[in-house]
Amino acid sequence: KQEVTQIPAALSVPEGENLVLNCSFTDSAIYNLQWFRQDPGKGLTSLLLIQSSQREQTSGRLNASLDKSSGRSTLYIAASQPGDSATYLCATRHYGGSQGNLIFGKGTKLSVKP
Amino acid sequence: DAGVIQSPRHEVTEMGQEVTLRCKPISGHDYLFWYRQTMMRGLELLIYFNNNVPIDDSGMPEDRFSAKMPNASFSTLKIQPSEPRDSAVYFCASANGEAYGYTFGSGTRLTVV
Repeated sequence: KQEVTQIPAALSVPEGENLVLNCSFTDSAIYNLQWFRQDPGKGLTSLLLIQSSQREQTSGRLNASLDKSSGRSTLYIAASQPGDSATYLCATRHYGGSQGNLIFGKGTKLSVKP
Repeated sequence: DAGVIQSPRHEVTEMGQEVTLRCKPISGHDYLFWYRQTMMRGLELLIYFNNNVPIDDSGMPEDRFSAKMPNASFSTLKIQPSEPRDSAVYFCASANGEAYGYTFGSGTRLTVV
């Protein structure tokens, strides 16, 4: 059974700092890994999608990496801003099975202080 | 594209009442998923459909929950009778094929009193 773990559960940083969020997963037979952002009381916004054949994806100040062999992904946020404050979730999509397709970690709650 | 559309955004109902949540996936997407999110359990997959056919409903808590997808552009999640422990945010998501990412709706916040 796939398990997705995110560390740390919460993170507080001053504005301008570069930071890394971690995601690990136990089953490497995945189609892809997706990073989402969730603001309080809101839905999930997709940030980056990394296919299993890719090593990284970039969008603006965000860079996500994927190492299937070690079961790890990182989300790098450069020059953090207060507007980046949210909960960040990673999720793996894998081949069928009784768990369905997308397995989520419990998220990292990020707070960026002005 | 308007994205995945869910209705209602908020629902408050009394215990024992029937509740129906609705979802319109992105046009052309062949996968549809229903998730539930609570503080205690995080995001849980309830059921998902492929080409309107239910593939896995093992996450549905009990027989009080049912889901249908009568056509490619509409799905419902029904709870009958509702209980206070069903209070949560229910999300619908859709995807195009197996190799692509999910798009989530804004969710329905259900409160059962």
